[in-house]
Amino acid sequence: ETGVTQTPRHLVMGMTNKKSLKCEQHLGHNAMYWYKQSAKKPLELMFVYNFKEQTENNSVPSRFSPECPNSSHLFLHLHTLQPEDSALYLCASSQTYPGTRSGNTIYFGEGSWLTVV
Amino acid sequence: GENVGLHLPTLSVQEGDNSIINCAYSNSASDYFIWYKQESGKGPQFIIDIRSNMDKRQGQRVTVLLNKTVKHLSLQIAATQPGDSAVYFCAETDTDKLIFGTGTRLQVFP
Repeated sequence: ETGVTQTPRHLVMGMTNKKSLKCEQHLGHNAMYWYKQSAKKPLELMFVYNFKEQTENNSVPSRFSPECPNSSHLFLHLHTLQPEDSALYLCASSQTYPGTRSGNTIYFGEGSWLTVV
Repeated sequence: GENVGLHLPTLSVQEGDNSIINCAYSNSASDYFIWYKQESGKGPQFIIDIRSNMDKRQGQRVTVLLNKTVKHLSLQIAATQPGDSAVYFCAETDTDKLIFGTGTRLQVFP
């Protein structure tokens, strides 16, 4: 148990559906992240929020829309996705961002497996 | 872009032996490195980190070695156990954005 909880763990959606992934952290952290993990590819940073403000958008297509209502919750809204968007989506948190190099360890959730059909 | 990669996609070791997982990086400006472990069905878990002003750091049963001359990072696991079976990622950064490698799968057999 890392203190970062993601729901749902598995999601199958059609290309015209709208769905959302949810992440909640119980660590008192101020920074939250979305990462994408595809088969045989490195982890890709998608978004970073620090104190509820988006600080990084790593050229993510607009069909992915993040929302951070408070420092403990993070959503990823999904709309008109493509089959190539099928992947494991990982939420993570850390004390602050930037801060990685200062030892602010990033803690990952267990991920949401997304399949787009 | 910069490349962080692993020499071998799969490493098989016998239980009780030591494991060595390697990682090459290309950004000579990187000054902070992390090893993560990802078990099947779980998210990556922090194992150990090292800064560029060090060449070795030890944890519980794990040691990370950094060779800045050849831009090489390794993770050594002593007395490998079945519970060590997982995918191991290295990550590096010079800007706070972590760049991850593709991972090495460690398989432990009896």
